[in-house]
Amino acid sequence: AQSVTQLGSHVSVSEGALVLLRCNYSSSVPPYLFWYVQYPNQGLQLLLKYTSAATLVKGINGFEAEFKKSETSFHLTKPSAHMSDAAEYFCAVSRTGFQKLVFGTGTRLLVSP
Amino acid sequence: NAGVTQTPKFRILKIGQSMTLQCTQDMNHNYMYWYRQDPGMGLKLIYYSVGAGITDKGEVPNGYNVSRSTTEDFPLRLELAAPSQTSVYFCASRPDIATNEKLFFGSGTQLSVL
Repeated sequence: AQSVTQLGSHVSVSEGALVLLRCNYSSSVPPYLFWYVQYPNQGLQLLLKYTSAATLVKGINGFEAEFKKSETSFHLTKPSAHMSDAAEYFCAVSRTGFQKLVFGTGTRLLVSP
Repeated sequence: NAGVTQTPKFRILKIGQSMTLQCTQDMNHNYMYWYRQDPGMGLKLIYYSVGAGITDKGEVPNGYNVSRSTTEDFPLRLELAAPSQTSVYFCASRPDIATNEKLFFGSGTQLSVL
């Protein structure tokens, strides 16, 4: 079975600081990994996805994530936080030919001035 | 394109009442999903469908039913509402699984059972 673990239900940063949201995965086969963002009162939107083409994946709004097989990790980073980045972020895992996407429990990012 | 449309946005039910959450998509996607989102629990899959006439259970199907008579529509039915079904419900769709394309989400239905 596949699963993802997101470390930290809340992360607080100051505007302009580095954002690091952690995600570790468990999968018996090469995984496909995703980061989704949810703004208040909205559905989830895709930030970026890893599908084995490149280990460093760049997404929208300046976010990127690096797939590290040795660490079974897919952490999300952004060099400089903006107030508009405040949202909840979900890591998710799937695999080829698998209909279902399994989500982590989410990390709420708080950005202070 | 409207994308994935969910109705209603908010609903309050009494224990034992029934209702249907509507979901429709205009992207001709084969795969459709219903998730529930509870605080600190992430998204849990209730039911999914891989095409018209085909549905299957997800992680938390008890208390719910679905049907998929057309490609566009994937309604979720609650027959006997219980307080444990208080949650935010999201419908999502994707074109196929071969390329692991992203999920498109609706804006959600906030349901309270009192």
